[in-house]
Amino acid sequence: AQSVAQPEDQVNVAEGNPLTVKCTYSVSGNPYLFWYVQYPNRGLQFLLKYITGDNLVKGSYGFEAEFNKSQTSFHLKKPSALVSDSALYFCAVRDGVLTGGGNKLTFGTGTQLKVEL
Amino acid sequence: EAGVAQSPRYKIIEKRQSVAFWCNPISGHATLYWYQQILGQGPKLLIQFQNNGVVDDSQLPKDRFSAERLKGVDSTLKIQPAKLEDSAVYLCASSLERGKISYNEQFFGPGTRLTVL
Repeated sequence: AQSVAQPEDQVNVAEGNPLTVKCTYSVSGNPYLFWYVQYPNRGLQFLLKYITGDNLVKGSYGFEAEFNKSQTSFHLKKPSALVSDSALYFCAVRDGVLTGGGNKLTFGTGTQLKVEL
Repeated sequence: EAGVAQSPRYKIIEKRQSVAFWCNPISGHATLYWYQQILGQGPKLLIQFQNNGVVDDSQLPKDRFSAERLKGVDSTLKIQPAKLEDSAVYLCASSLERGKISYNEQFFGPGTRLTVL
């Protein structure tokens, strides 16, 4: 069964500093990896995805993520954090192998990012 | 482009009562998902439709939960009877998928926050 781990419940960073939110995964086949962000009282918003190709993926709002197959990781990064980046971030994975009726998206438990002045 | 619409935004009921949630996906999106997000956890897939057919309902508690997607557009999710542990945010999402292997991003609605007393 596929799974996602986000080892940090919360990440604190000062505005202007680089940020990293960690994610590791486990799948049977090739992974399809996603990052979503959730602001209070709002639904999840797509940031970026890795399907195939270049291991460094660029997404919305200056975020990027690096796919590392050997370490089964897909860490989210941003060179310079903003206070407005403060939100709940979810990593998610889909298995590229079709099992049963489909390949569901499995989410991690989320990491709360807090960017302070 | 209009996003995924959900109603109601909030609902408070007593245990053993019934409740229904409504979702209108983005126009043209063939696939619709219902997720349950319990506080402090990532969203968990309840059911996935492609057009008006069920692709995956393996995690839907079928003794009390039901969902339908008539005409392959709008969808309703019902709980009858509700239990205390059903208190959660119910998220609807849609995507462009047309095949069985899904790798497109999902677009989420704002969710319905259900409180069962």
